[in-house]
Amino acid sequence: GQQLNQSPQSMFIQEGEDVSMNCTSSSIFNTWLWYKQDPGEGPVLLIALYKAGELTSNGRLTAQFGITRKDSFLNISASIPSDVGIYFCAGPYFSGSARQLTFGSGTQLTVLP
Amino acid sequence: DSGVTQTPKHLITATGQRVTLRCSPRSGDLSVYWYQQSLDQGLQFLIQYYNGEERAKGNILERFSAQQFPDLHSELNLSSLELGDSALYFCASSVGDQGEQYFGPGTRLTVT
Repeated sequence: GQQLNQSPQSMFIQEGEDVSMNCTSSSIFNTWLWYKQDPGEGPVLLIALYKAGELTSNGRLTAQFGITRKDSFLNISASIPSDVGIYFCAGPYFSGSARQLTFGSGTQLTVLP
Repeated sequence: DSGVTQTPKHLITATGQRVTLRCSPRSGDLSVYWYQQSLDQGLQFLIQYYNGEERAKGNILERFSAQQFPDLHSELNLSSLELGDSALYFCASSVGDQGEQYFGPGTRLTVT
């Protein structure tokens, strides 16, 4: 499968601060997905991006599909305690005729009061 | 709530045993995917079923198998369990075989 490099691996921020994380690949992707996983829970789809250059928001979250199609960024504005969790990027690749998702290693976000 | 359900939530068993994990996809979804998440491995794709047929295989061990039934629920069977099989096992579903995947709450398997 394809490799996605996600950074940073972890972040400690103060409540109210903005956060930015990114995901890069050596291969071109035609879709980027961002998921959030709370401790002990399944990943929840936050934002899906389908076009190079696309900028999509979901509340305080904004994600961008890089114009090279090899990267994507997720920004969280005015962080709050419930933003704590692991954020994963994911992108599809084809294994034979089947479309699969490959996931980044995740960014662990901690929000300090 | 994603609409994907998994049972059981927790499972504790001994080495050498066999367990079955169950997943019900979102209503209308035909694809089911199984993933393993270990502390040091991230989310690893195991296998996908689409409308009852195996669609793709990832890093699934020969000791593991899965199936999807006519009502579209799926079961993941893990046999000859080893300590290293302890992990979170997630099921995800999508409408077609190429759509966005929605994850269930997971089954935490502990092998002692």
